[in-house]
Amino acid sequence: GAVVSQHPSWVICKSGTSVKIECRSLDFQATTMFWYRQFPKQSLMLMATSNEGSKATYEQGVEKDKFLINHASLTLSTLTVTSAHPEDSSFYICSAGPFNDKYEQYFGPGTRLTVT
Amino acid sequence: GENVEQHPSTLSVQEGDSAVIKCTYSDSASNYFPWYKQELGKRPQLIIDIRSNVGEKKDQRIAVTLNKTAKHFSLHITETQPEDSAVYFCAAVSSRGRALTFGSGTRLQVQP
Repeated sequence: GAVVSQHPSWVICKSGTSVKIECRSLDFQATTMFWYRQFPKQSLMLMATSNEGSKATYEQGVEKDKFLINHASLTLSTLTVTSAHPEDSSFYICSAGPFNDKYEQYFGPGTRLTVT
Repeated sequence: GENVEQHPSTLSVQEGDSAVIKCTYSDSASNYFPWYKQELGKRPQLIIDIRSNVGEKKDQRIAVTLNKTAKHFSLHITETQPEDSAVYFCAAVSSRGRALTFGSGTRLQVQP
């Protein structure tokens, strides 16, 4: 159990366009999901916490108007990168959990975004 | 907020040797410490974790130790194999349901 999917797995877009990334918990309900960004050869950095039915909480330095997060159901959170620029090119990973009495977070497979 | 430091950034060992990666954390309220293995382009894979009420945990060739007083925890891999080569991340979380704070990562290379 505890499977998280992400779509798309990779995307190439032109500068100035918007891209939506979906994160789904397939076999459990997730009131909270997290979005991380990972640049090449760097660690995972938390961008925002996505809360079902309420506004996302963004980390310092992350523009909420640029990275739009919607958590409309207990199994789906979306991240939209608006007006993408080459510097937004990165590996975006979501996680969900915990559930039951565990602490473990479950990661999606990630989305490789390349902005040309 | 939490700050997690990880050392070394790179580690090269001979096959069969042991590898040790160390992390320190800043928030004394942190109570869950997972370790992840990440291969290029893939999601982090949980390899072992420890809660703050436990000092040591072992799973076959992998062990984690936690010193709450000193606020540091370590990953120990024994009898390393070439397939252990990857980037390893430590992480900490201050309470259940909160986001993970990751260390900077250690690139482990196991030479055959």
